[in-house]
Amino acid sequence: GAVVSQHPSRVICKSGTSVKIECRSLDFQATTMFWYRQFPKQSLMLMATSNEGSKATYEQGVEKDKFLINHASLTLSTLTVTSAHPEDSSFYICSAPPSASSYNEQFFGPGTRLTVL
Amino acid sequence: AQSVTQLDSHVSVSEGTPVLLRCNYSSSYSPSLFWYVQHPNKGLQLLLKYTSAATLVKGINGFEAEFKKSETSFHLTKPSAHMSDAAEYFCVVRPNTNAGKSTFGDGTTLTVKP
Repeated sequence: GAVVSQHPSRVICKSGTSVKIECRSLDFQATTMFWYRQFPKQSLMLMATSNEGSKATYEQGVEKDKFLINHASLTLSTLTVTSAHPEDSSFYICSAPPSASSYNEQFFGPGTRLTVL
Repeated sequence: AQSVTQLDSHVSVSEGTPVLLRCNYSSSYSPSLFWYVQHPNKGLQLLLKYTSAATLVKGINGFEAEFKKSETSFHLTKPSAHMSDAAEYFCVVRPNTNAGKSTFGDGTTLTVKP
């Protein structure tokens, strides 16, 4: 099946710094990618939809200036957590559907564990 | 609008006994439904999906699920649990519209006792 990678898998940073997380579709093109965050023992919450060549669409309550998304190419989307604080510590997961058809499942990346000290 | 309810937050079974993880959904559109498994600190792996074809869907690792429109349910079953099945399971609904967003259930933690 299709493969989605994330980098880094784990990152620890100091409060106030910015962290960039990459999401890549390795063997298919993705015009759309999704970014989720998952707190411990909780489900995935959609943060935003990343659209290649246009602005991301953010879910209600997600600060677009804090979570910057750039979909630079058909295989790469990045999420930058700006001025990170301890409450931003979470598991961030991206996904990409291989096409716009809803009949296809999304392929999920392995996730990035962010810890803000 | 759409929603997913996983009726059990925790399920515990003995190895070799059947597994039942329950999921109910609601959707304004005819949906596609998915079950994913997540092992600790890992991403999500697709177990199976329903996409308006056969209502009984067979997936990987011996799992299967039956779509019941009249009951708006999509319960996940397995005849015989293995220790390796211990994980978090998510039921997901996605509307059959282009680039429809997925809605996740809260998850069910499956524990398998030896």
